[in-house]
Amino acid sequence: AQTVTQSQPEMSVQEAETVTLSCTYDTSESDYYLFWYKQPPSRQMILVIRQEAYKQQNATENRFSVNFQKAAKSFSLKISDSQLGDAAMYFCANDSGTYKYIFGTGTRLKVLA
Amino acid sequence: DAGVTQSPTHLIKTRGQQVTLRCSPKSGHDTVSWYQQALGQGPQFIFQYYEEEERQRGNFPDRFSGHQFPNYSSELNVNALWLGDSALYLCASSLAQDRGENPYGYTFGSGTRLTVV
Repeated sequence: AQTVTQSQPEMSVQEAETVTLSCTYDTSESDYYLFWYKQPPSRQMILVIRQEAYKQQNATENRFSVNFQKAAKSFSLKISDSQLGDAAMYFCANDSGTYKYIFGTGTRLKVLA
Repeated sequence: DAGVTQSPTHLIKTRGQQVTLRCSPKSGHDTVSWYQQALGQGPQFIFQYYEEEERQRGNFPDRFSGHQFPNYSSELNVNALWLGDSALYLCASSLAQDRGENPYGYTFGSGTRLTVV
């Protein structure tokens, strides 16, 4: 069965500093996608970054980057130059081609001014 | 360009009642997926509709049913509500043929907060 595990219920970071959110997953598929979503108090899930498993290069989107370790089934999110607007719940998700996403339990990120 | 629209935003129902939640997908999208997000948890897949048929279903009882209309909008119905059904229900739309470059291209709505008392 596919699983996604986020072991950090809550993280804090000082404004302008860097923080890393952890995610591990399990899938038997060889072709799959991994995502990080942000969910602010408005409740809407917003795509932060995605990684295709067959691409070895780590994805980056401006201040957001991932460390994708396929053999270890690890997919961490690094946020650089943290901003107050980054405060939200962050969810890691896996799509293994079965038309559904498997989400982790989330990490609440607090950004301290 | 409107994104995903869900209605209502909040709803309070009594145990045993039935509820219908509605979703209008993003313009150009043809696939609608529904997720249940309990408090403090990640979203869990309920089912997905494409071409007016249920394409895949998650681990939810038959009390949860859905429908997709010719205009791609969708409804989620829950019968015989119980307290454990209290959650945020998220709708996500995508374009079925988009998986190669933009896997599913999910766009989420802001959800319907259902409270069962």
